[in-house]
Amino acid sequence: KAGVTQTPRYLIKTRGQQVTLSCSPISGHRSVSWYQQTPGQGLQFLFEYFSETQRNKGNFPGRFSGRQFSNSRSEMNVSTLELGDSALYLCASSLGDAKNIQYFGAGTRLSVL
Amino acid sequence: DAKTTQPPSMDCAEGRAANLPCNHSTISGNEYVYWYRQIHSQGPQYIIHGLKNNETNEMASLIITEDRKSSTLTLPHATLRDTAVYYCIVRAPAGYKLSFGAGTTVTVRA
Repeated sequence: KAGVTQTPRYLIKTRGQQVTLSCSPISGHRSVSWYQQTPGQGLQFLFEYFSETQRNKGNFPGRFSGRQFSNSRSEMNVSTLELGDSALYLCASSLGDAKNIQYFGAGTRLSVL
Repeated sequence: DAKTTQPPSMDCAEGRAANLPCNHSTISGNEYVYWYRQIHSQGPQYIIHGLKNNETNEMASLIITEDRKSSTLTLPHATLRDTAVYYCIVRAPAGYKLSFGAGTTVTVRA
């Protein structure tokens, strides 16, 4: 069974630009969560989608948005990039059941110059 | 989610068992113990989870004390590829997000 796939793996952008990251969950998983990981702040929750609906949201500004498609694939968009948005962005999928075990992708390393 | 305490680092010899402790004295009755690890610059990897019974899978074993205030993750035969940061997390299954603490940096030496 294929794991969680995130594309692209690496991205370099400049301040003010926008970026879209993609996540393909494990087949059969309906929940997709997005996290930002930085050395200073650690792992921070962005949002979770389940069956195309945002079910939970973390404490990030509105520049961070996402969506989920009918095939459970998800995208995350960051507009008006800031230097502080440089981070590893991780996607995790789960069945969305009671165990809620989250399986992570390899991440997208975003560098904002 | 209950707070967890882990040693910041530990070394282990290749081929030997690695025993990683975790304290979670404020754990609630419905909270599970989850273990993840993260190899440098990769996504976190799920290892194992448990409620109160000992659990074993192909990667590791998890022993939770009877009072559930602490647990130990055991990697039975550590390899160099097991070098990673290991995170112990306590949360209710319905919890929608994961929060990692500082974790334990495990270095397996040849």
